[in-house]
Formats: sequence, structure tokens, C-alpha cells
Amino acid sequence: QVQLQESGPGLVKPSETLSLTCSVSGGSIRNYFWSWIRQPAGKGLEWIGRIYSSGSTNYNPSLKSRVTMSVDTSKSQFSLKLSSVTAADTAVYYCARDPEATGAFDFWGHGTIVTVSS
Amino acid sequence: QSVLTQSPSVSGAPGQRVTISCTGSSSNIGADFDVHWYQQLPGTAPKLLIYGNTDRPSGVPDRFSGSKFGTSASLAITGLQAEDEADYYCQSYDSSLSGWVFGGGTKLTVL
Repeated sequence: QVQLQESGPGLVKPSETLSLTCSVSGGSIRNYFWSWIRQPAGKGLEWIGRIYSSGSTNYNPSLKSRVTMSVDTSKSQFSLKLSSVTAADTAVYYCARDPEATGAFDFWGHGTIVTVSS
Repeated sequence: QSVLTQSPSVSGAPGQRVTISCTGSSSNIGADFDVHWYQQLPGTAPKLLIYGNTDRPSGVPDRFSGSKFGTSASLAITGLQAEDEADYYCQSYDSSLSGWVFGGGTKLTVL
């Protein structure tokens, strides 16, 4: 069973860069897309972007200028960087597997809460 | 404002049938992109419920079913149970945005 685990600071100061890592276990990171999705408290889901195991990326146009994703297949990890954060970026951040064959997010991490505050 | 539109809430008594709708446009559902559905229990990550418009992952009861027509999709839940009380989200691909989009979510209350 594939398992994903997000990790990173729970508190980020405004204007700084949010950095999260997702560790994949129980399955290969290769030959899949891996996405980041976030959810502000009490609100809906927002897709941030995705990265293929080869390193190619697709980002949400609304966040594209601030998002960078990377992958380290040797460590079975992929990462998210979101720059110039504001309070509006406060949310639970999820990582999820994104099989190209279906386009549905079939495995999710438990999520990590990131608060943007000084 | 979400690209895919869902009613904020729906309710039903145990044993009843409820449907949750998801309305899109010609750049997503209407462009024949698949619709997927997720169930999010309070305090937990979303769980894939329906993929490819109508298919259920292993382990999802057949009380849950999906359909799609035109620019809309629906999730039906029959034999409603207390444990079905959750938020439900639809998801599809949008060609104008070149990315995945979600509905705003529907909160199901079991009376």
C-alpha cells in the first residue's frame, strides 16, 4: 500500500518561502505524477501543481509565479516551494499520487498545517 | 469561486438516497474530461470515491455511484448511513487553465 507523508515547518513568516517535502513509501515514485493540493480551514481544495518522476512540472496558473517543485527519486521524495507567502497561503497542504492513466488522486498524505504569521 | 459548481449542502435520512451534483463548462466536464469524486471525513484527508466518472476503487461500497452527462456529473449515495456524513468534492481537468480543478464541496448531513 502506497503511503505518503508530508513534512516541513508548520509556521512561516510573511514574504518568506514555504518549503514542504513528501516522502513516498510502499511503492515506486517512478512513472507517476505527484501533486500538491491545499485546503484553507473550512474551505475547499485547491490544486497547486504536479511533478512527474522525470522532473517535468505543471503548475496552477494562479500560483505559477511563486511555485517550484522538485523530485529526488533516490530518496523517493518530492518537494514544494512557495515563495512570497501571505496569510492567504495558510492551509493544510496535502501531497497525493496522480496516475496519468486516470487523473484521479488515488493516494493522499495525511496533510500538514502551514500557518503564515509573523 | 470554484470552476466546478456544487451545492453547499445536502441532507437525507438513514436508508435514503441522495445525489450530489457537479456542474462545469465546455472547458472541463463538457470537453469530455473525466470526473472524479472524493469523500472527506472530518479532520482527515480526502479519499478517492469514484474515478473515471463511474468507477469505484477497490473497497468502496457499491452504494456509491457516479454518472456524467453533458457539462455535469452526479454522485449518488443509496442506503444512506451515519458514517457517510462528510464533505464530498468533484474534480476534473480544465483545458483553459491547463490543470486540475475541484468543486467547492458539498456537505452531506445524515439526519
